[in-house]
Amino acid sequence: DTEVTQTPKHLVMGMTNKKSLKCEQHMGHRAMYWYKQKAKKPPELMFVYSYEKLSINESVPSRFSPECPNSSLLNLHLHALQPEDSALYLCASSQDNRAGTDTQYFGPGTRLTVL
Amino acid sequence: AQRVTQPEKLLSVFKGAPVELKCNYSYSGSPELFWYVQYSRQRLQLLLRHISRESIKGFTADLNKGETSFHLKKPFAQEEDSAMYYCALTFGTDKLIFGTGTRLQVFP
Repeated sequence: DTEVTQTPKHLVMGMTNKKSLKCEQHMGHRAMYWYKQKAKKPPELMFVYSYEKLSINESVPSRFSPECPNSSLLNLHLHALQPEDSALYLCASSQDNRAGTDTQYFGPGTRLTVL
Repeated sequence: AQRVTQPEKLLSVFKGAPVELKCNYSYSGSPELFWYVQYSRQRLQLLLRHISRESIKGFTADLNKGETSFHLKKPFAQEEDSAMYYCALTFGTDKLIFGTGTRLQVFP
């Protein structure tokens, strides 16, 4: 399996809901990432996990809570989101990010709409 | 701060014409530079990276440290090259910084 998969493809939620986005890879990669991409904008890094530990949090609001249960899975828990959080959420993975030179492989994204 | 600049939001050419998508960066060290492409309704994917010095789908990019540029070039554009192109860099960390992107439109 040489792809990053993400579920669900689309998600509509209210501001009081709690939901989770899921990301999975079976390439043996030890670094995983969450990005947010607004329409017609580049992806913006949110979180980085390296060897299942959170290594970077780009000052993301606490209503976004990442979790890395094991080296193949990455979750993003959502709670009390705002309409401006509506975006495409991308997951990516790379083999070993400690040198900062590894190619990142992206999933297809989850398109989130907050009502 | 590290920054990637893509001055053109949109680049339109006719099939068979040469293409150059510009990318400039600001970083005093030795960055690792990438071009990512996003075709319509497809995931973001790596096109090429400077360290591998490969030519992918006829595209090449040369790192010019003097001009801090990493422009993407193709001698003869094809309609299937129409996509969003992002230049990106890392600088010895796990942060990938993207430029604002250039949409390439290739007309028949």
